Order: sequence, then C-alpha cells, then structure tokens
Amino acid sequence: AQSVAQPEDQVNVAEGNPLTVKCTYSVSGNPYLFWYVQYPNRGLQFLLKYITGDNLVKGSYGFEAEFNKSQTSFHLKKPSALVSDSALYFCAVISMDSNYQLIWGAGTKLIIKP
Amino acid sequence: ETGVTQTPRHLVMGMTNKKSLKCEQHLGHNAMYWYKQSAKKPLELMFVYNFKEQTENNSVPSRFSPECPNSSHLFLHLHTLQPEDSALYLCASSQDWTTTGELFFGEGSRLTVL
Repeated sequence: AQSVAQPEDQVNVAEGNPLTVKCTYSVSGNPYLFWYVQYPNRGLQFLLKYITGDNLVKGSYGFEAEFNKSQTSFHLKKPSALVSDSALYFCAVISMDSNYQLIWGAGTKLIIKP
Repeated sequence: ETGVTQTPRHLVMGMTNKKSLKCEQHLGHNAMYWYKQSAKKPLELMFVYNFKEQTENNSVPSRFSPECPNSSHLFLHLHTLQPEDSALYLCASSQDWTTTGELFFGEGSRLTVL
C-alpha cells in the first residue's frame, strides 16, 4: 500500500538552530515529493517539490529538502530556524499508482522557541 | 482578494440541518478539490472536479454532496451530518488535475456538528 510517514508528531527547536522534519514514503515507481506548510488558522501553502534531477531542492522561506532514493526519504531542512517557522508541516507524494492525487503524511508540528 | 476564498470560516450545525460550504478561486485554474482535515491525520481527499466534471469521489458518504457550476466555484452541500464529520474542510485548486502536486488552498471552513 502506498503511504507517507512523518514519524514525529512534534519537533522542538531553539531559534537559530538547524531544523529537520522527517518524511519517508512507500510507493510504486518513481515518486514526486512535496512539502506543504500550514500556519495557525490558515490553509496549506506549497513549500517545495522534487520531481527529478538534483536531489537537493530549495523552496520558499529558506527551506530545502533532500531526496534519498535508497532510504525512501525526503526530509525537510533549514539551516537556521526562526520563531515564525512554527507551523504544521505536511509531506506528500504522487506516484504512478496514485492517479495524480497526493498521498499525505499526518503532519509534524514544528515549534521554534526563542 | 486571496487566490482561494472559502465561506463561511466557521459553521456550527445540528445533525438535522442542511448547510453549504462555498469555495471560489481567482487563479484561472481548471481543477478544484475538497479535502477533510482532522487533527493528527493525513488530509482526506473527498472530491475532485476538472473542468467542472467530477473525476474523483473517494467513497464519501452521500450526506456530503458537491456541486461545481463552473471552474471558479465549488460547493459542498451538507445534510444530516454526524458528530464525527466535525473537521476543517479545505478547498484547493490547481491548473488541472494532472498537476495536483501544486495545490492552492483556501483557509478552510471549520465545521462543528452537534
């Protein structure tokens, strides 16, 4: 079965420190991978995506993610966290078997402490 | 105006009521979606419309009835709901259904069923 796992319900990081939000996936074929962010009381916003090419992709607000095919992972990273990065982060994937529809993870709450 | 607008933002209804959620997009997109978001769960795709035609219905109970009169407007008609239907309902749009990876979301309608 196709699935996306975000193993951490919550990640706590001090402001200025690097952050990582983890995502692993299980799909058939080559995946298209995505990260979305949801700020409090808001809808989701697209952050970045991996389709093909360079395994390190850069997105909005200084975020980047690394595609690792052997580990079936697509972790979200940022070198220096800001308090304003506090939000809910969702990983998602499209595969050849998903009929172009996104398969979503359950989300990870990121809390950045001053 | 924001790209995708949802009304109302909050709705409280009894199990015997009939109400509707409205979504409007100003992005010139051809595909629109309804998602259900519950805490600590992956987003659940409910319906997909492409050029006003329904392309996906993910086994959603008939008490949820979508309507897409044109590519800019999407409705979700609600009747005889259950308390477990309480959730955040998100509308999204994309250029067309094959580019579902990059969705533009509204801020959601928070539904409470008493």
